[in-house]
Amino acid sequence: DTEVTQTPKHLVMGMTNKKSLKCEQHMGHRAMYWYKQKAKKPPELMFVYSYEKLSINESVPSRFSPECPNSSLLNLHLHALQPEDSALYLCASSQPLRSGEQYFGPGTRLTVT
Amino acid sequence: SQQGEEDPQALSIQEGENATMNCSYKTSINNLQWYRQNSGRGLVHLILIRSNEREKHSGRLRVTLDTSKKSSSLLITASRAADTASYFCATVKETSGSRLTFGEGTQLTVNP
Repeated sequence: DTEVTQTPKHLVMGMTNKKSLKCEQHMGHRAMYWYKQKAKKPPELMFVYSYEKLSINESVPSRFSPECPNSSLLNLHLHALQPEDSALYLCASSQPLRSGEQYFGPGTRLTVT
Repeated sequence: SQQGEEDPQALSIQEGENATMNCSYKTSINNLQWYRQNSGRGLVHLILIRSNEREKHSGRLRVTLDTSKKSSSLLITASRAADTASYFCATVKETSGSRLTFGEGTQLTVNP
């Protein structure tokens, strides 16, 4: 199984809502990533978890809160977002410290109203 | 910040033609990877070339790497309409573990 799944596919939320994005992989990868991608731009790294510990936070605002409950799951909790946070949020996984390819999920299209 | 630059930003060709995309980067790397992204979807890994390799093939894909010029090219031969997508190069620095730094991407359109 070389699939990374993400739910939901689409999410519309108001600026006062709290929601969560979910990501799951069953490839035994011990590194998981959150990226944010705006239209016609490359993905921007937000967070990296390695062996279920947060190893990189790219100075992301605290309204984004990541969580890695176990080696297969990655969540991104959203609270008090701004309209400019509307984007495609991509999850990826890989073997840590192997410098190899990352496997991406299909993304969650987030719209903040 | 993105260290990679790709050119062209957009490329439109006819089915059956070859497509060449270029990528430049600024720092020493462990490897360089190419990804494809269909509109609004996730990225798919295409090919990885290590810093000690000069050329690599995978099916209709040919990647070259010139570390002295800090540049790479992706050639897609005999293109198909299904190759229409955005293509991104991504580098892994020598000291950054598995962290990818993406280029700005090339939007390829293959007309049937």
